Amino acid sequence: DIVLTQSPDSLAVSLGDRATIKCKSSQAVLNSFNTLNDLAWYQQKPGHPPKLLIYWASTRESGVPDRFSGSGSGTDFTLTISSLQAEDVAIYYCHQYFTPPHSFGQGTKLEIK
Amino acid sequence: EVQLVESGGGLVQPGGSLRLSCVASGFPINNYWMTWVRQSPGEGLEWLANINPDGSEKYYVDSVRGRFTISRDNAKNSLFLQMSSLRTEDTALYYCARVNGAANVWGQGALVTVSS
Repeated sequence: DIVLTQSPDSLAVSLGDRATIKCKSSQAVLNSFNTLNDLAWYQQKPGHPPKLLIYWASTRESGVPDRFSGSGSGTDFTLTISSLQAEDVAIYYCHQYFTPPHSFGQGTKLEIK
Repeated sequence: EVQLVESGGGLVQPGGSLRLSCVASGFPINNYWMTWVRQSPGEGLEWLANINPDGSEKYYVDSVRGRFTISRDNAKNSLFLQMSSLRTEDTALYYCARVNGAANVWGQGALVTVSS
């Protein structure tokens, strides 16, 4: 089974500053059919279901602000929020859908400094 | 509006069974893989199972394989999760989601509490 490890577990960033969250996979999640990485990022706020932000490692879901970006390939991935806004306080999860079981990272809690 | 609504959660004793339903609206589920994900109180997300559009392929995480069964009724635009031999550690909020690669539509969840 693929294990996803996020770092850090929690992060405090000042408003307007950059936030960076990493996700390391125990094996590559590169899909040979489309040469895209089967890796997604979700945002979850208290009392709400997860919301898809990024898929194929770097494609932004419709309606997601462009301050959110994803990068990486193979086993190492990054979610970057370029200029933190108050409404970005949440827990962020990476998720691999390359092979079942489609595992999630343990989550990173993002707060305002 | 594209929407998923879960139902069937509740309080059940250890060893008991429960069936969750997820009704979709705004889109036909027969075009999509569907999945169940759960979240224990204060914990992270755990992928449980998914099913292909015609129901012929199903995959499970080890912790529920043999106890949980995912199924679908495309005519009723519905997804199900039959849970048996429930344990206290199955206590969680259970989400259904539409899969298009990643899970891009989620329900609000159904709470399952396993306790004596």
